[in-house]
Amino acid sequence: AQTVTQSQPEMSVQEAETVTLSCTYDTSESNYYLFWYKQPPSRQMILVIRQEAYKQQNATENRFSVNFQKAAKSFSLKISDSQLGDTAMYFCAWVNRSSNTGKLIFGQGTTLQVKP
Amino acid sequence: GAVVSQHPSRVICKSGTSVKIECRSLDFQATTMFWYRQFPKQSLMLMATSNEGSKATYEQGVEKDKFLINHASLTLSTLTVTSAHPEDSSFYICSARVPLAGSYEQYFGPGTRLTVT
Repeated sequence: AQTVTQSQPEMSVQEAETVTLSCTYDTSESNYYLFWYKQPPSRQMILVIRQEAYKQQNATENRFSVNFQKAAKSFSLKISDSQLGDTAMYFCAWVNRSSNTGKLIFGQGTTLQVKP
Repeated sequence: GAVVSQHPSRVICKSGTSVKIECRSLDFQATTMFWYRQFPKQSLMLMATSNEGSKATYEQGVEKDKFLINHASLTLSTLTVTSAHPEDSSFYICSARVPLAGSYEQYFGPGTRLTVT
C-alpha cells in the first residue's frame, strides 16, 4: 500500500527566513503526482504546489519550491522569505495517475508557525 | 478558479438525529467528489468517493449505512450522518476532482463542523 510520511509534526521559523518541510513516500508505481496543500487556521485546504513524477525539474511557485528526489522517494517543500500568513498545517499528498479513482494519499501533516 | 462550497459551515444536532451536509461545485461540473473527516491537528481521512449517478465507494471501516452519500447531479453531493452520536462530532470536508483530462487535483470545500450533543 502507498504511504506518505511527514516526520516533522511541528516546526517554527522566523519571519523572512527559509524553512524546509520534509515528505517521503513509498510506492511501486512510476506514474504519479505529488502535491503540497496548506491548511491555515480557517481550515480551507489550499493547493501550494504540484509535481509530476516524470518531470525531473523541481516545481516552483513564487516563494515555494520543492526538492523532488524520485529515486529516494522524497518530496520536500522549501518556503523562502517566510511570512506570517504562511502559518498553517502543511500536507504532502500523493496520487496514482494510473488509477481512475484519483484518491489522494495524505501525510500526517506538519504544523508550521511563522514567528514575527 | 474553481470553487467548492459546503453547507452548513457549522451544525449542532442532538444525539439520535440525522444531519445532511451539502457539497456544491459552483462553477464547474464534478463527476467525482470526495468526503473526508478530520480530527483536530490530524490529517484528512478519506471516507468515500462519490461518483455522479452511481453508488459511492466507501473506504474500509466506514459505515455506509451511517454515512449516506448521494451524488445526484454534476454539481451536488450530499453526506447524511444518520442517527448521529457524540463520537460522530468532527470536521467534515468535501472536495471535487478538477474536470480536466489528466488532472488529479482536487478543489476543497471550506468544511463543516459537526457537533453532536
